Amino acid sequence: NAGVTQTPKFQVLKTGQSMTLQCAQDMNHEYMSWYRQDPGMGLRLIHYSVGAGITDQGEVPNGYNVSRSTTEDFPLRLLSAAPSQTSVYFCASSYSRGQDTFGSGTRLTVV
Amino acid sequence: RKEVEQDPGPFNVPEGATVAFNCTYSNSASQSFFWYRQDCRKEPKLLMSVYSSGNEDGRFTAQLNRASQYISLLIRDSKLSDSATYLCVVTVPSASKIIFGSGTRLSIRP
Repeated sequence: NAGVTQTPKFQVLKTGQSMTLQCAQDMNHEYMSWYRQDPGMGLRLIHYSVGAGITDQGEVPNGYNVSRSTTEDFPLRLLSAAPSQTSVYFCASSYSRGQDTFGSGTRLTVV
Repeated sequence: RKEVEQDPGPFNVPEGATVAFNCTYSNSASQSFFWYRQDCRKEPKLLMSVYSSGNEDGRFTAQLNRASQYISLLIRDSKLSDSATYLCVVTVPSASKIIFGSGTRLSIRP
């Protein structure tokens, strides 16, 4: 039982590049979420999903896309990376909103 | 004003001490409340849910005060391993929101 698996752990991008952060969970949770964590600001919700085929925007969705084709996978796409997207990204899953199990995070730097 | 506010600390207390911190929230429609702990450069981990009647898990006690709109976390007989950042989380289902506080840093000294 791996829980929530995120890849990659570290990434450096150049401004304007695109990439996909991968997230998979093996707990059969319906809820999945992507957060970013910046110093002094706490975690902020980017996008979330309440089940396969259903996604919605969180607090800071601009510049990011998600899809949920299966219960297990919830990738996050950065469309055109900007320095303001330098952050630590966490994927999470839960059976109930707020009771999240987090992945180990992706440290992204955009130069 | 932030929707969820926490004293950032750091709280620096000796091993064995009792320490408490609060988290205030501004939206009266907030429904569910949680405490997480986050170790340095690690992911947050759910510590406990917070119920209106209060709840206890070993040395940890969480309470909710809806009238004054805050939740609290009390740690008794603190251990070195309790050193971490403690995050409070509030959900507002009517607005599809889940809001994390910025965290309170706790450091336990020998």
